[in-house]
Amino acid sequence: DAKTTQPNSMESNEEEPVHLPCNHSTISGTDYIHWYRQLPSQGPEYVIHGLTSNVNNRMASLAIAEDRKSSTLILHRATLRDAAVYYCILRDVRTANFGNEKLTFGTGTRLTIIP
Amino acid sequence: DTGVSQDPRHKITKRGQNVTFRCDPISEHNRLYWYRQTLGQGPEFLTYFQNEAQLEKSRLLSDRFSAERPKGSFSTLEIQRTEQGDSAMYLCASSPLLAGGPDTQYFGPGTRLTVL
Repeated sequence: DAKTTQPNSMESNEEEPVHLPCNHSTISGTDYIHWYRQLPSQGPEYVIHGLTSNVNNRMASLAIAEDRKSSTLILHRATLRDAAVYYCILRDVRTANFGNEKLTFGTGTRLTIIP
Repeated sequence: DTGVSQDPRHKITKRGQNVTFRCDPISEHNRLYWYRQTLGQGPEFLTYFQNEAQLEKSRLLSDRFSAERPKGSFSTLEIQRTEQGDSAMYLCASSPLLAGGPDTQYFGPGTRLTVL
C-alpha cells in the first residue's frame, strides 16, 4: 500500500492560515488523497478528498502537487476548535468507489492552535 | 439524523471476562466498519460489513473477537477472555451506498475499553 508521511506536530496562531503537508511519493494513479481529523475525545471526521485537481469545501482546501507526490491541507483561518490530529490517507479509487476499502491511518499531525 | 452512536462509551473489565460493544450506524447506511485505536496511534481497521455480510476481517481480529450485524442495521463487537492488550478505543464508522466516488466514513465517539 502506498504510504504517507506527515510531521508529528505543528503549531499555528489563532485566526491565521495553516498549511498541513503530506508526502506520498509512492502514490499510484488510482489513489485518492483523503484527509480526516480527530478532535480530542472524538472519533475521526472527514475533512476533504481529491484525486488530481485542487479542491475546496467549507472546512478546508486541498492543494495537490502536479506530480501528486505531495499535498497540503489548508485551513484558511484557524480557530481553537481546529486543534486536532490530522490524518492524510490514500485510498485506491478502484476499491474506494465500491465502499469496501478500509481507511489506513498513520499517526497524523497533531495541530496545536495558540490563542 | 443523530450520527453514529456507540454503547457503552466506557467499559472497565477484569482480564478473562467477556465484553460486548454495540454500534448503531446512521440510518440507511449500508456499510459499517470497526476500528481499534491505542494511545498515540491512528485507528486500525478490524472488520467491515456491507448490510449483514461481513466482507473483510483484519488479521488483528483474533479468534477471541467476533462481530455481527444480524439485520444489516446495528452491529456488535464481542471480545472473549479479554487481555490487557485489548485495552483501546473501539471505533465504529458507517458509510452510505453511493453511485460513484469514494464513500465518506462517519465515525462514532468510540467505546474506551480498559482491561485490568
